[in-house]
Amino acid sequence: GQQLNQSPQSMFIQEGEDVSMNCTSSSIFNTWLWYKQEPGEGPVLLIALYKAGELTSNGRLTAQFGITRKDSFLNISASIPSDVGIYFCAGRGNYGQNFVFGPGTRLSVLP
Amino acid sequence: GAGVSQTPSNKVTEKGKYVELRCDPISGHTALYWYRQSLGQGPEFLIYFQGTGAADDSGLPNDRFFAVRPEGSVSTLKIQRTERGDSAVYLCASSLMEGQHYNEQFFGPGTRLTVL
Repeated sequence: GQQLNQSPQSMFIQEGEDVSMNCTSSSIFNTWLWYKQEPGEGPVLLIALYKAGELTSNGRLTAQFGITRKDSFLNISASIPSDVGIYFCAGRGNYGQNFVFGPGTRLSVLP
Repeated sequence: GAGVSQTPSNKVTEKGKYVELRCDPISGHTALYWYRQSLGQGPEFLIYFQGTGAADDSGLPNDRFFAVRPEGSVSTLKIQRTERGDSAVYLCASSLMEGQHYNEQFFGPGTRLTVL
């Protein structure tokens, strides 16, 4: 079946630093979503991407839909302690309504 | 309520027992999804409802798992003869079905199921 890979698996950064993470797929997707999940809660949608090459921002977060349609990137600028959490990408192809989720990138921000 | 709610928040049961997990979607959301999340993993799709009908149940792992949504709102995920491997957080999400909004799934806090 389809699989998504996310890198890095985890990262420790200093407050104020910028963060980059990516998600790659073995299949072409036509929609990419980025979620953040905190302990004991469900994932919260951050950004949705619908077209190859699309670049979308949400505050300090920017995500891009890769040109090949097999990858997506999420950047966080000037990180703050509340950015701590697990960031998941999710992709959907042309085959149905289901989203496939990646294994997540765990972000820790050191004050 | 404003968001998706799930009950119970935690459920501990013994191997072989039957459990029901409930999801209350956001009012007006016609699409409802169930996912299972194991420790250290992303959510794994189980089943998707559009209105009252299961539009896609391809993610259900076996016939011990069943879900219903009789009135197109609240949904119940039912697990028979639970096994230790069923232990996970079960997440519910809902979305509108208008245009691109169906992609924007809003998740509940999940039910943590522990099978002893």
